[in-house]
Amino acid sequence: QITLKESGPTLVRPTQTLTLTCTFSGFSLTTRGGGVGWIRQPPGKALEWLALIYWDDDKRYTPFLKTSLTVTKDTSKNQVVLTMTNLDPVDTATYYCAHRLPGWGGFDYWGPGTLVTVSS
Amino acid sequence: SYALTQPSSVSVSPGQTASITCSGDKLGDKYACWYQQKPGQSPVLVIYQDDKRPSGIPERFSGSNSGNTATLSISGTQAMDEADYYCQAWDSSTEAVVFGGGTKLTVL
Repeated sequence: QITLKESGPTLVRPTQTLTLTCTFSGFSLTTRGGGVGWIRQPPGKALEWLALIYWDDDKRYTPFLKTSLTVTKDTSKNQVVLTMTNLDPVDTATYYCAHRLPGWGGFDYWGPGTLVTVSS
Repeated sequence: SYALTQPSSVSVSPGQTASITCSGDKLGDKYACWYQQKPGQSPVLVIYQDDKRPSGIPERFSGSNSGNTATLSISGTQAMDEADYYCQAWDSSTEAVVFGGGTKLTVL
């Protein structure tokens, strides 16, 4: 059974750096084809994809935030970490991590999400 | 960058078929998938690779993808199907993930 859970601060000041951790179980990020993505959703708005990390450490980022995002993995801890720099109040959102189906299959398991508020 | 367009809302009567479209340039050449999201909940994958249903998704959910449009169809729509629906595809040139803007399905 695959599960994922996001953790990190609930309140971040503008211009600060956000670090979110996705802790997962039920799969390994060393298995060929595996991947974990980060997606966010501002209150009342649509889903927005942020980043994706693959089993082979290949990474993809949304072109809209590419310079402020970094995604890494720690396979020994079954964790994926997303770092976002220079936060702004518009970054207030629920942040989700999700398991990517191998191939062009989408995200089949999602964490419960964590609400991050950016405010002074 | 690649973009997907969905209608903001769709209404359907109980028992009827709901169709939600997702448009993008040559979308039919890519794989599309669909998510259902109910208030306060995480998204749930209901269709992947255009027309495949994950385990546990009712057969009334189906998908198609051709030309510039992918379509999610829900036959025999029930009140429990009222939710926001998002399409998603992969921009093959950059391997970036793209979501549509979402469609609110109302079962009247």
